[in-house]
Amino acid sequence: DAGVIQSPRHEVTEMGQEVTLRCKPISGHDYLFWYRQTMMRGLELLIYFNNNVPIDDSGMPEDRFSAKMPNASFSTLKIQPSEPRDSAVYFCATHGGGRGSYNEQFFGPGTRLTVL
Amino acid sequence: AQSVSQHNHHVILSEAASLELGCNYSYGGTVNLFWYVQYPGQHLQLLLKYFSGDPLVKGIKGFEAEFIKSKFSFNLRKPSVQWSDTAEYFCAVNEGWTGGFKTIFGAGTRLFVKA
Repeated sequence: DAGVIQSPRHEVTEMGQEVTLRCKPISGHDYLFWYRQTMMRGLELLIYFNNNVPIDDSGMPEDRFSAKMPNASFSTLKIQPSEPRDSAVYFCATHGGGRGSYNEQFFGPGTRLTVL
Repeated sequence: AQSVSQHNHHVILSEAASLELGCNYSYGGTVNLFWYVQYPGQHLQLLLKYFSGDPLVKGIKGFEAEFIKSKFSFNLRKPSVQWSDTAEYFCAVNEGWTGGFKTIFGAGTRLFVKA
């Protein structure tokens, strides 16, 4: 398995633009998590899905952020409009939910977002 | 709500020194505990995990951690660090199935090992 795949790896955009981050989970993993990592706030859980359904989005900072998981193979995190304070590394992680590698999250390489 | 506290934000050690990184969590029920490592420029990788059984857990690269339930602690240790251990270390906790596998991470401890 290729592991968790995220794209793009780096994104530089201007304030006000829409940003879409993508994640492909490990096949068979039915939990998917989006995290944001900054120096100031560390690693924050934004939202997570189980079987494509959002379970907890309490970490989503504001309405400018939205996430979808239209199928088991793909998830997006969208920021519209983006602001400089959104600059961070965004990680996607997936989890087998007790099967296989029991209760362990596998992280993607992250997307480094810079909003100018 | 669950929370995870890591005692040190930055640690600097010389090679061969012993390491102990503190981690405390706030939840009274059954928890699963993890330590992840993030090497410079890389993503998080699992070092070790505790679900049940022997409270002393051994992980990769010579790391171990001890779960002390009465202290709500899960400290990470390594008897002799190497320069290649320079990384950021994250303690994490979840409630397993009952908590939907929602995993909360500590703020991280940056370890720098001097050669």
